Amino acid sequence: GENVEQHPSTLSVQEGDSAVIKCTYSDSASNYFPWYKQELGKGPQLIIDIRSNVGEKKDQRIAVTLNKTAKHFSLHITETQPEDSAVYFCASPHFNKFYFGSGTKLNVKP
Amino acid sequence: GAGVSQSPRYKVAKRGQDVALRCDPISGHVSLFWYQQALGQGPEFLTYFQNEAQLDKSGLPSDRFFAERPEGSVSTLKIQRTQQEDSAVYLCASSPGVGDQPQHFGDGTRLSIL
Repeated sequence: GENVEQHPSTLSVQEGDSAVIKCTYSDSASNYFPWYKQELGKGPQLIIDIRSNVGEKKDQRIAVTLNKTAKHFSLHITETQPEDSAVYFCASPHFNKFYFGSGTKLNVKP
Repeated sequence: GAGVSQSPRYKVAKRGQDVALRCDPISGHVSLFWYQQALGQGPEFLTYFQNEAQLDKSGLPSDRFFAERPEGSVSTLKIQRTQQEDSAVYLCASSPGVGDQPQHFGDGTRLSIL
């Protein structure tokens, strides 16, 4: 199956700072890379995704970058706000199913 | 609402009891997935349906776990003779087509086995 590694496991930033979370994957055939945000007691919510034909995608304060050669992709959150505090998961597909990273708990301090 | 709906939200059962968890996917979504999420971990794949066909059940931990989607919409995950290690959050996700597409998750069922 696919092996997805995510770092760091916890990240604490001051409000207004940027946060970066990185994931590596093993299956070179993977072509789709989503990021999910999970709040306590809720299911994972898709916040941004990228396909392998582009290197970067932005949506307001959130961006994802992809390096297919190195098999890693990153989530960038700029101008962090307290409501960004949550657990973030990356995922990589393998034969229709998603393999998830172990999660990053982001704490944005006001 | 228009999202994936799961019920019940919480389920407490005694060891050895059978439980049934329900998932209502987004209307018209072809693909449906079940995942298991242990505390502090990422979701782990259990099984996948394309319409009513169960195409992959490689993640089901034992033959006590059974899933069905008889009419290609609502799905039920059943766990027989529950054990303490079955305690987890069970997440359902759906996507509009097949292949590598966004999966939309419900809020899960938190199962506690006493």
